Amino acid sequence: LAKTTQPISMDSYEGQEVNITCSHNNIATNDYITWYQQFPSQGPRFIIQGYKTKVTNEVASLFIPADRKSSTLSLPRVSLSDTAVYYCLVGDEGNGQNFVFGPGTRLSVLP
Amino acid sequence: DTGVSQDPRHKITKRGQNVTFRCDPISEHNRLYWYRQTLGQGPEFLTYFQNEAQLEKSRLLSDRFSAERPKGSFSTLEIQRTEQGDSAMYLCASSQRTGDPTDTQYFGPGTRLTVL
Repeated sequence: LAKTTQPISMDSYEGQEVNITCSHNNIATNDYITWYQQFPSQGPRFIIQGYKTKVTNEVASLFIPADRKSSTLSLPRVSLSDTAVYYCLVGDEGNGQNFVFGPGTRLSVLP
Repeated sequence: DTGVSQDPRHKITKRGQNVTFRCDPISEHNRLYWYRQTLGQGPEFLTYFQNEAQLEKSRLLSDRFSAERPKGSFSTLEIQRTEQGDSAMYLCASSQRTGDPTDTQYFGPGTRLTVL
């Protein structure tokens, strides 16, 4: 199982772009990279998923370099409601234990 | 919306009692997962089902824990002889195995267990 490393916490201000980088040096060929967001007392919520290069959806972008040993979640123009814990996971669906959550990155958005 | 639902949302019990939690996945999803989450930590995988078959169990799942998914729809997680260390948020997630390498899990709101 690929292990991931993220910063424990980050602070930002409203309106800024936030980039959270995740390291996954032993990512396997079949592994995808998935990011989840979690608010207190709620289950994690899927944000974005990718395999390589760049993926963008309505809430975030995911940048994955060619070697895939890291990835960066980009949140444009954050608001106070983006204050949450963000988890980076790598894995493939063939293994039911593929989702190994680390402690995540606690993002605090300040006014 | 037919998202993942869990019942109850909160459970307070005394040490030594048995508790049972229920999870109703998204209706067309054939995979169902259970996780446990303690304060300040990410969710820890416990077990998962594909349809009614329990395919994997974590070493975290002691003999006091049992999970079922009898008809391949809802699932129950039972903890027998609860201990204070069982206090945690128990999360359920579901996904649809399509044969693609991706497996997006959709999580329920969780059941918070407090063992006194």
